[in-house]
Amino acid sequence: SQTIHQWPATLVQPVGSPLSLECTVEGTSNPNLYWYRQAAGRGLQLLFYSVGIGQISSEVPQNLSASRPQDRQFILSSKKLLLSDSGFYLCAWRRRGGNTIYFGEGSWLTVV
Amino acid sequence: AQKITQTQPGMFVQEKEAVTLDCTYDTSDPSYGLFWYKQPSSGEMIFLIYQGSYDQQNATEGRYSLNFQKARKSANLVISASQLGDSAMYFCASNYTGNQFYFGTGTSLTVIP
Repeated sequence: SQTIHQWPATLVQPVGSPLSLECTVEGTSNPNLYWYRQAAGRGLQLLFYSVGIGQISSEVPQNLSASRPQDRQFILSSKKLLLSDSGFYLCAWRRRGGNTIYFGEGSWLTVV
Repeated sequence: AQKITQTQPGMFVQEKEAVTLDCTYDTSDPSYGLFWYKQPSSGEMIFLIYQGSYDQQNATEGRYSLNFQKARKSANLVISASQLGDSAMYFCASNYTGNQFYFGTGTSLTVIP
């Protein structure tokens, strides 16, 4: 069966520090991968999605970036965090040709 | 722009009663999918139910059913026989263009014993 993991689960980072959130999917090949952000008490905002290695589409211009160095690995990064980057970050995957996306456990980021 | 609208920020339902959570969408694409997810306080997003735009019948999954009215562009979630464990945030979503999935702002459901 397919599983998705993302880490770290929680982190507190100072303003201006870098960020790296990692997500991996197991049990499938060539999935579509997604990064979402959920601000406190709000809906999900699509940040990036990827249909293959090295192929990244950005939905919202900001100080975040994403990379897909391997087929089942998706990384969300920032060189310098802002206070507004605080939130709940969710990685998700979809089987190639499938209908539904499935989410990881999420990462709580607090920028102080 | 793709848009999902959930007009009920919060809903209350008595245990064992049914509840309907509203969702409308806005697209001119002929092919799309509609989804509902549940988010408990732990934060995980749990897939509940899927409806394709070409499906003739409303989707059902156990106590969950999706009331799909294509002409009205609505995809309401119906939860029958509510349980205390149903208390959570519920999000409606769609993938109009195939790869991107867009979510509404969610409805907070509280089940009252």
